[in-house]
Amino acid sequence: AQTVTQSQPEMSVQEAETVTLSCTYDTSESDYYLFWYKQPPSRQMILVIRQEAYKQQNATENRFSVNFQKAAKSFSLKISDSQLGDAAMYFCASRTQGGSEKLVFGKGTKLTVNP
Amino acid sequence: NAGVMQNPRHLVRRRGQEARLRCSPMKGHSHVYWYRQLPEEGLKFMVYLQKENIIDESGMPKERFSAEFPKEGPSILRIQQVVRGDSAAYFCASQAGWQDTGELFFGEGSRLTVL
Repeated sequence: AQTVTQSQPEMSVQEAETVTLSCTYDTSESDYYLFWYKQPPSRQMILVIRQEAYKQQNATENRFSVNFQKAAKSFSLKISDSQLGDAAMYFCASRTQGGSEKLVFGKGTKLTVNP
Repeated sequence: NAGVMQNPRHLVRRRGQEARLRCSPMKGHSHVYWYRQLPEEGLKFMVYLQKENIIDESGMPKERFSAEFPKEGPSILRIQQVVRGDSAAYFCASQAGWQDTGELFFGEGSRLTVL
């Protein structure tokens, strides 16, 4: 069974600063995918970034990047130059290939951006 | 913009009534997932459906909950004899088909309140 753990219920960052959100996961599968989703107050789930486990290179999307440590089963999200619009709940998720391929989510981290 | 459409966005029911939540996947998508989000929690997998077929219902409560995805029309999540603990946001997500391990596209969710 897959599990995803986010150990930081809440984080805060000053506007324009950098913040890192932590995530660890557990899976027995060799082929899997990892995701970070953002959920603003509107509650829409928005994909921020994804990482294929077979790729060693860390994924990057503009101001968002990940630190993927496969051996440690760690998948942290770094947000650079934080903006007020980044304030939201952030969910880490994993998905294996094969079977039902369902996404398994962590409990989330609430990010506050201070002006 | 033919994204994942869910309705109703908000639904209020009294204890013992039935709730029906509808999800129309993105155009061309034939696979649908339902997730439930309790307050202050992450999303929990409920069921995975293909048209006219339930692929994985391991996250569905054994009683009162059912889901379908007919050949024509939206996917329906049905909750009979609702109780206060059913109050949550219910999200639908779709993908194009099998072995599509990329992004799941989420709807905006349906918020159920049981009085």
